[in-house]
Amino acid sequence: GAVVSQHPSRVICKSGTSVKIECRSLDFQATTMFWYRQFPKQSLMLMATSNEGSKATYEQGVEKDKFLINHASLTLSTLTVTSAHPEDSSFYICSASDRVTEAFFGQGTRLTVV
Amino acid sequence: DAKTTQPNSMESNEEEPVHLPCNHSTISGTDYIHWYRQLPSQGPEYVIHGLTSNVNNRMASLAIAEDRKSSTLILHRATLRDAAVYYCILRDVGGDDKIIFGKGTRLHILP
Repeated sequence: GAVVSQHPSRVICKSGTSVKIECRSLDFQATTMFWYRQFPKQSLMLMATSNEGSKATYEQGVEKDKFLINHASLTLSTLTVTSAHPEDSSFYICSASDRVTEAFFGQGTRLTVV
Repeated sequence: DAKTTQPNSMESNEEEPVHLPCNHSTISGTDYIHWYRQLPSQGPEYVIHGLTSNVNNRMASLAIAEDRKSSTLILHRATLRDAAVYYCILRDVGGDDKIIFGKGTRLHILP
């Protein structure tokens, strides 16, 4: 099946710095990608929908200036956590799919802000 | 969003079949029923999906009620590696196509 690759898998950063997470669809073109975050023992929460060549659509309560999303090509979307703080520590997951078949998920990025 | 209801947790013995239920009484005609599972510290993994007819693949079977208001994911012979959180999700291909996760069912496999 199709593969979605997420990088890095794990990152530790200092409070106040920015972190970029990449999500690549390796063998299909993804016009839409989704970004999620997941806190321990909770379900995945949809943060935003990333559309190739246009602005991302953010879910209610998600700060678009803090979580910058860029979907510059049909195979790459990036999420940048700006001015990260300890409360931003979480598991971030991306997904890509078409409208009918299954969605493919990255392996996730565990962000720790110290 | 159309919603699903699943039991919080279930247990099964290794090498026995497992039936994971899901209720989706507000399902619409354009909603596909998708199942994903998530192992610890990993992204979710696709299991199976269907619209109206029962579906089988190498991982599992999906039984869909005639009125489509419920479905059951069937693992025919559970192994320890099947211990995960299983999510039943409705995906509206006629709408915004978002994949919204509920709380899912945490499946424990007893050796």
